[in-house]
Amino acid sequence: EPEVTQTPSHQVTQMGQEVILRCVPISNHLYFYWYRQILGQKVEFLVSFYNNEISEKSEIFDDQFSVERPDGSNFTLKIRSTKLEDSAMYFCASSEVEGFSNQPQHFGDGTRLSIL
Amino acid sequence: AQKITQTQPGMFVQEKEAVTLDCTYDTSDPSYGLFWYKQPSSGEMIFLIYQGSYDQQNATEGRYSLNFQKARKSANLVISASQLGDSAMYFCAMREGAGTASKLTFGTGTRLQVTL
Repeated sequence: EPEVTQTPSHQVTQMGQEVILRCVPISNHLYFYWYRQILGQKVEFLVSFYNNEISEKSEIFDDQFSVERPDGSNFTLKIRSTKLEDSAMYFCASSEVEGFSNQPQHFGDGTRLSIL
Repeated sequence: AQKITQTQPGMFVQEKEAVTLDCTYDTSDPSYGLFWYKQPSSGEMIFLIYQGSYDQQNATEGRYSLNFQKARKSANLVISASQLGDSAMYFCAMREGAGTASKLTFGTGTRLQVTL
């Protein structure tokens, strides 16, 4: 079964450094998402992306964050200058666009980001 | 107000027994979808089951079923014949609007522990 792939599985970065999290969505999916989950807390929406532009973003997704689809397969999340509070599990998800809303978002296994 | 409320932070169930995980939601949109995801200790998010707001019947997927009570705005997950491998966090999530692209809003989750 096709799946969403995320790399790396764990990223350790010094505070203030830039980090890029990578995702390969399922190949026929057209909508892409980033979510994050701070340890022990619920999953929070960051941003959705369609047709090479952001569809929606949350308050968390400030100027330090950006997303890109640099080629036909990858979808990246960049954090420009990381802060301690950016430490979390980051999930990429993708979904088909097919009429009504019964299509689930398929999640990758996540990237655990640790900021030191 | 919380859009998704999961009031059970933790639940225990004996192997082979059934268990119900509660989820209530809040939306004024007539079109919405409700999802349940499982998160094992390894961290990945696994889609389990979906219920649409216009679906006439309760959703079922193998040992998972959804007790959907629209008037009460509840969408409880029922796991029948629990197995040790069912031990995990379970998240209820909602997508509002008719489009497939809308973000998911998650509850705080319920940690299920299956015992011998």
